[in-house]
Amino acid sequence: DQQVKQNSPSLSVQEGRISILNCDYTNSMFDYFLWYKKYPAEGPTFLISISSIKDKNEDGRFTVFLNKSAKHLSLHIVPSQPGDSAVYFCAASATSGNTGKLIFGQGTTLQVKP
Amino acid sequence: EAGVAQSPRYKIIEKRQSVAFWCNPISGHATLYWYQQILGQGPKLLIQFQNNGVVDDSQLPKDRFSAERLKGVDSTLKIQPAKLEDSAVYLCASSLGGQRGYTFGSGTRLTVV
Repeated sequence: DQQVKQNSPSLSVQEGRISILNCDYTNSMFDYFLWYKKYPAEGPTFLISISSIKDKNEDGRFTVFLNKSAKHLSLHIVPSQPGDSAVYFCAASATSGNTGKLIFGQGTTLQVKP
Repeated sequence: EAGVAQSPRYKIIEKRQSVAFWCNPISGHATLYWYQQILGQGPKLLIQFQNNGVVDDSQLPKDRFSAERLKGVDSTLKIQPAKLEDSAVYLCASSLGGQRGYTFGSGTRLTVV
């Protein structure tokens, strides 16, 4: 049972354009969502997060949007840079009875072409 | 601040052999996680420790996997005997508490042949 899904295995965009990565979830108990970035041979690193009480969170070039009714979130990167090329994981957590456990999606490989 | 240290970085073993991975979390981080990431999939939690106690090991295949966290600091994850499907990257992460402060190590890539 895949509770967090990233249906696009890969995405290719031109440098300077917008990258949009999508994530869907099924568990209505999830109330905190995170995006991680992973380079080859390294562990995932935290990028940005959003609580379910918000519908948008912005940090520099990165913005995460949350649509609770659709159980969908997206990560926007504007403008995209070649250094953004990596695997991006969406993750979700239920903070009620929080143990800190994260449920990850399968990941989307982003390639930003110069 | 030093990161989460893991060793070895790579390991190749034959099926039915045993293997152990080591993790040293960030100093002061009470919570330690072991995740398994199979190629093409997202990380999946195997076990979570709070200090030296187990919080969640519901997805740990206990017939072959074991983990301990001695004195609430370092942790080891063991597989005995290994199967081909155990080929994956094993990630250790630590946090002060909750999901917000997760820091992952670089992982151990295990190949079972």
